[in-house]
Amino acid sequence: GAVVSQHPSRVICKSGTSVKIECRSLDFQATTMFWYRQFPKKSLMLMATSNEGSKATYEQGVEKDKFLINHASLTLSTLTVTSAHPEDSSFYICSARVQAGEKLFFGSGTQLSVL
Amino acid sequence: KQEVTQIPAALSVPEGENLVLNCSFTDSAIYNLQWFRQDPGKGLTSLLLIQSSQREQTSGRLNASLDKSSGRSTLYIAASQPGDSATYLCAVMDSSYKLIFGSGTRLLVRP
Repeated sequence: GAVVSQHPSRVICKSGTSVKIECRSLDFQATTMFWYRQFPKKSLMLMATSNEGSKATYEQGVEKDKFLINHASLTLSTLTVTSAHPEDSSFYICSARVQAGEKLFFGSGTQLSVL
Repeated sequence: KQEVTQIPAALSVPEGENLVLNCSFTDSAIYNLQWFRQDPGKGLTSLLLIQSSQREQTSGRLNASLDKSSGRSTLYIAASQPGDSATYLCAVMDSSYKLIFGSGTRLLVRP
């Protein structure tokens, strides 16, 4: 089956620093990738949709200057949390859509803790 | 705006019981409906995907039904086992392939 690799799995950083999270599709080309965040015991909230080679589309209420998304190739999308603050602490998960498919494959998630 | 609700929020049952998890959604214009499992601190495992034109899907001890017109889906787990303990998430996909998730049902199956 299709595999999506997400790194790092866990990161702890100081307030004010930037953190980059990578999402790679290992054995397929992903024309579209989605980024979600999840607070403890809450559901996944869609943050943005990224299409290869174009700007990401952000959901209402998500700061695009805060959460920078780059989808430079068909197998890699990155989410950079800029100038992280404690309220950005959350679980971030990516998912990738197979070209011309409806099924989404999820990464294993990144737990971000901002001190 | 699509909203997905899951009931109950938490469930604790003894091993061997059959159980039903409920999911409802407000907009019936969905592409498909999916059920996922999430273990603590982990990503998602896809369990079942039901196309909008389908009524149910089965995989092993799991059976999911879909009533699109009433905006409801159920996940039936037969003969529950302690290894089934996890959070179960229901999600509906719209025509742009976005998944809208419910808040989940936290299941504990006691030995």
